[in-house]
Amino acid sequence: SQTIHQWPATLVQPVGSPLSLECTVEGTSNPNLYWYRQAAGRGLQLLFYSVGIGQISSEVPQNLSASRPQDRQFILSSKKLLLSDSGFYLCAWSSNTGELFFGEGSRLTVL
Amino acid sequence: AQSVTQLGSHVSVSEGALVLLRCNYSSSVPPYLFWYVQYPNQGLQLLLKYTTGATLVKGINGFEAEFKKSETSFHLTKPSAHMSDAAEYFCAVSGRGYKLSFGAGTTVTVRA
Repeated sequence: SQTIHQWPATLVQPVGSPLSLECTVEGTSNPNLYWYRQAAGRGLQLLFYSVGIGQISSEVPQNLSASRPQDRQFILSSKKLLLSDSGFYLCAWSSNTGELFFGEGSRLTVL
Repeated sequence: AQSVTQLGSHVSVSEGALVLLRCNYSSSVPPYLFWYVQYPNQGLQLLLKYTTGATLVKGINGFEAEFKKSETSFHLTKPSAHMSDAAEYFCAVSGRGYKLSFGAGTTVTVRA
């Protein structure tokens, strides 16, 4: 069966510091991968999606970037965090019917 | 393009009462529709989905939803609420592409 893991689960970082959140999927090959963010009271915002290695599409202009160095690895990064980057970050992969399977989430607090 | 509107950001029900969460969608192509549940500090879990076929869809934890094309709706119901149903619920639509569009979410509280 397929599984998806994210880490770290919780992160507290100062403004201006770098960020790296990792996500890996097991049990499937060539998945579509996604990064979403949940900010308080703002629902789910799609940040990036990827249909293959090295292929990244950005949905909104922002201070973040994403990379897919391997088929089942998806990384969310920032060189310098802003206060507005705080939130709950969710990685997901999709089946061929568009259904999303989510990781456990990573809560980022920028101080 | 696809979009979803969830009516009501908060719903409060008594234990044992009917749970009804409303979702209306907009889609330029026949949609795939989903309901997800999220418990605090966790990822989203799929409750049920509609792709094709039977318009009444049954999901986990006793939930069901009915696809009504004429009303562009996909409301979620559960006949009898349980304390464990307290969570946030998201409706989502896919235009059979790669991306889901989510509603803003509805938080359900259950009163004893």
